[in-house]
Amino acid sequence: DVKVTQSSRYLVKRTGEKVFLECVQDMDHENMFWYRQDPGLGLRLIYFSYDVKMKEKGDIPEGYSVSREKKERFSLILESASTNQTSMYLCASSLDRGHYGELFFGEGSRLTVL
Amino acid sequence: SQQGEEDPQALSIQEGENATMNCSYKTSINNLQWYRQNSGRGLVHLILIRSNEREKHSGRLRVTLDTSKKSSSLLITASRAADTASYFCASNTGNQFYFGTGTSLTVIP
Repeated sequence: DVKVTQSSRYLVKRTGEKVFLECVQDMDHENMFWYRQDPGLGLRLIYFSYDVKMKEKGDIPEGYSVSREKKERFSLILESASTNQTSMYLCASSLDRGHYGELFFGEGSRLTVL
Repeated sequence: SQQGEEDPQALSIQEGENATMNCSYKTSINNLQWYRQNSGRGLVHLILIRSNEREKHSGRLRVTLDTSKKSSSLLITASRAADTASYFCASNTGNQFYFGTGTSLTVIP
């Protein structure tokens, strides 16, 4: 069974802290995505990656960076967390760039920045 | 933003009734997908309809697509309390997925 695992379901951090959100998929998928989800705004794409060490900005990359050192792992980094980054963060993967199939999501990481 | 929009934002029906939700999107697509999200959880894929298809069925789900109007609809027939969730459409351009804002469905037993 396919699986996308996000390391933390709930996190509470203070303003200015560095935050790491980890995502691992076990399906050998090439594509990985980070979204944030806020009420009334739906899902917004932060960053995505089509290959190891490759990244592309989504719609709202400001204040975030990502790392993909291994195919199965895609990390989202908040260099200096701010209260407006309080949100639900969702990681997803899909098979490959030429495959227009479905996204597989993790369970989400709910981040609160105080 | 290239997000789509779902309509209605919220829908409340009795168990056994049908639920219809609509989605509009902004760009040309390869396919359109519908996802379900239970409260506080990740999204789960329900059904995919390709840009050259007009209608697709899967169990109690029926999806239609009108590319000329850039719109899609999801029909859930004979709804159950367990169908209570948020439903999102996602337009797939081949490079990215663009999600709508979701419809919150409540099915009353």
